[in-house]
Amino acid sequence: GAGVSQSPSNKVTEKGKDVELRCDPISGHTALYWYRQSLGQGLEFLIYFQGNSAPDKSGLPSDRFSAERTGGSVSTLTIQRTQQEDSAVYLCASSLSAGSYNEQFFGPGTRLTVL
Amino acid sequence: RKEVEQDPGPFNVPEGATVAFNCTYSNSASQSFFWYRQDCRKEPKLLMSVYSSGNEDGRFTAQLNRASQYISLLIRDSKLSDSATYLCVVSPTGKLIFGQGTTLQVKP
Repeated sequence: GAGVSQSPSNKVTEKGKDVELRCDPISGHTALYWYRQSLGQGLEFLIYFQGNSAPDKSGLPSDRFSAERTGGSVSTLTIQRTQQEDSAVYLCASSLSAGSYNEQFFGPGTRLTVL
Repeated sequence: RKEVEQDPGPFNVPEGATVAFNCTYSNSASQSFFWYRQDCRKEPKLLMSVYSSGNEDGRFTAQLNRASQYISLLIRDSKLSDSATYLCVVSPTGKLIFGQGTTLQVKP
């Protein structure tokens, strides 16, 4: 079946612009996660959604970052007033439900470059 | 101090070698433990979960020592296709906490 999909695959933007990154989880997966991977920082957790519960936003690095998940499926990560340090690969993952024991399946990522 | 620490390597080994990776974690409340594999410019994929009793999947063996907060991965009879970055991952709740990864290069 179809895996996690993300769009766009690459995004180049100018410093100060807003960007939106999209994630389509695997059908039937109720938990959705955002991570980012940058040079020197490795993979870091940003936010996750589980069903209708309030999202865990504990990993968002600043208030310029926000995410929403509409209808319990597609999610959008928004970065406002982008900075050069936001350049990274943004990865989305989904799992059957939140919980430590469920395998998370990752999408191919969106490579964001802020000039 | 990072929550999950790994030796970044690189580990350069010949085909057929046995290689071991280790990592330590700081959060004693961590509930689940994994090794993920990431190929260059690709997304991470689950290699195996790690249990206190130890678990084996073909040439791969993973061990967890909760008392020492230490996780290991052993790869026997290395293949060229094992070349990748191996990520040590812990999960105190639903989110995953990743180590920096250990790079393995298997040479003919």
